[in-house]
Amino acid sequence: DIQMTQSPSSLSASVGDRVTITCQASQDISNYLNWYQQKPGKAPKLLIYDASNLETGVPSRFSGSGSGTDFTFTVSSLQPEDIGTYYCQHYDDFPTFGGGTKVEIK
Amino acid sequence: EVQLVESGGGLVQPGGALRLSCSASGFTVSAHYMTWVRQPPGKGLECVSVIYSDGSTYHADSVKGRFTVSRDTSKNILYLQMESLRAEDTAVYYCARGQTWGVGWFDPWGQGTLVIVSS
Repeated sequence: DIQMTQSPSSLSASVGDRVTITCQASQDISNYLNWYQQKPGKAPKLLIYDASNLETGVPSRFSGSGSGTDFTFTVSSLQPEDIGTYYCQHYDDFPTFGGGTKVEIK
Repeated sequence: EVQLVESGGGLVQPGGALRLSCSASGFTVSAHYMTWVRQPPGKGLECVSVIYSDGSTYHADSVKGRFTVSRDTSKNILYLQMESLRAEDTAVYYCARGQTWGVGWFDPWGQGTLVIVSS
């Protein structure tokens, strides 16, 4: 099985800060990588698909990049409503998720 | 509107069984890759069972031989039959839709249903 290593596991940043989360795959997964946001008590919400494509309706401050084994998710200017936990997910074979990154406001 | 609604969760004793349902509206379940994803309290996400549009199914090693995913095309419902339940199966279970051509990305997700395995 392909393992996804996500870091950091948590972060605290100020409103307006640029926030970056990384996800590393245990083997080459091309661009088969998605990003989700989950707020407490809610289901995950798709933000980015195929590594860099912004889902319709998602604010443009969210972006993704990478291919192969190394991927990056960025929030260009953190907003209060962005608090939650973010997960990467690959789909090169049986899908697995990264461990998650909890984002808080400082 | 494309929507998924899970039901069937609850409290079950270790060794017991439970069947979860995921009722779909706005699209055809059998035309898509569908998945069950679970989340233990305070922990991350784990994909446990998937079914492709061609009917082939796969399960995570943690549930292989105990969980079965299926669908009823006439009712447009996805199921997860869970047997020999263990304490570590306690989680919120979500169903989610993949793509028509394969896994892809998951959207939408249901609201989740809580399964508690405890005596």
